Amino acid sequence: DAVMTQTPLSLPVSLGDQASISCRSSQSLENSNGNTYLNWYLQKPGQSPQLLIYRVSNRFSGVLDRFSGSGSGTDFTLKISRVEAEDLGVYFCLQVTHVPFTFGSGTKLEIK
Amino acid sequence: QVQLQQSGAELVRPGSSVKISCKASGYAFSSYWMNWVKQRPGQGLEWIGQIYPGDGDTNYNGKFKGKATLTADKSSSTAYMQLSSLTSEDSAVYFCARTPFDYWGQGTTLTVSS
Repeated sequence: DAVMTQTPLSLPVSLGDQASISCRSSQSLENSNGNTYLNWYLQKPGQSPQLLIYRVSNRFSGVLDRFSGSGSGTDFTLKISRVEAEDLGVYFCLQVTHVPFTFGSGTKLEIK
Repeated sequence: QVQLQQSGAELVRPGSSVKISCKASGYAFSSYWMNWVKQRPGQGLEWIGQIYPGDGDTNYNGKFKGKATLTADKSSSTAYMQLSSLTSEDSAVYFCARTPFDYWGQGTTLTVSS
């Protein structure tokens, strides 16, 4: 299985700061067609996950440009610029290249 | 708009089975894989498996083979997940999500308790 190691577990930030979250896979997430299926989500308490970024760097419909994704192969990063109160919650990555699909353990973004 | 509406919370006895539903609307149900995900507090998220409603093809996470059975009814655009031989370890929130994991159901809380 592709193990997704996500860091940090907790990320205290001040409003207006930039936040950066990392996901590292135990194997390359690029498939034989050259596509890399790595998504980023935000989950707020009591809610289902909401897609932010798909296929490494593509913002989902309605997602603000303060959110950006980058990376390749085994190393991926989600950046949130100018953090706002509505951004608080748990962020996690999901790889959908290899079966079984696997999730990162989550990063809780909270106010410093 | 795409919507996935899951069935309500369940309280069931250990050793029993439960069937959770996920009714889809706003897109071509038969043409997208439907996934099921387990979330336990402090345990993270686990992918259980997926079903292609068009032909009933399934893929399972090996960890859940024998525990979960996925089915789909094209006539009602509804996907189902049956969980069997329930224990306290099955208590969790279960989500359905269509591939490419862009839209998710609201979650169904399962509590296994005597």
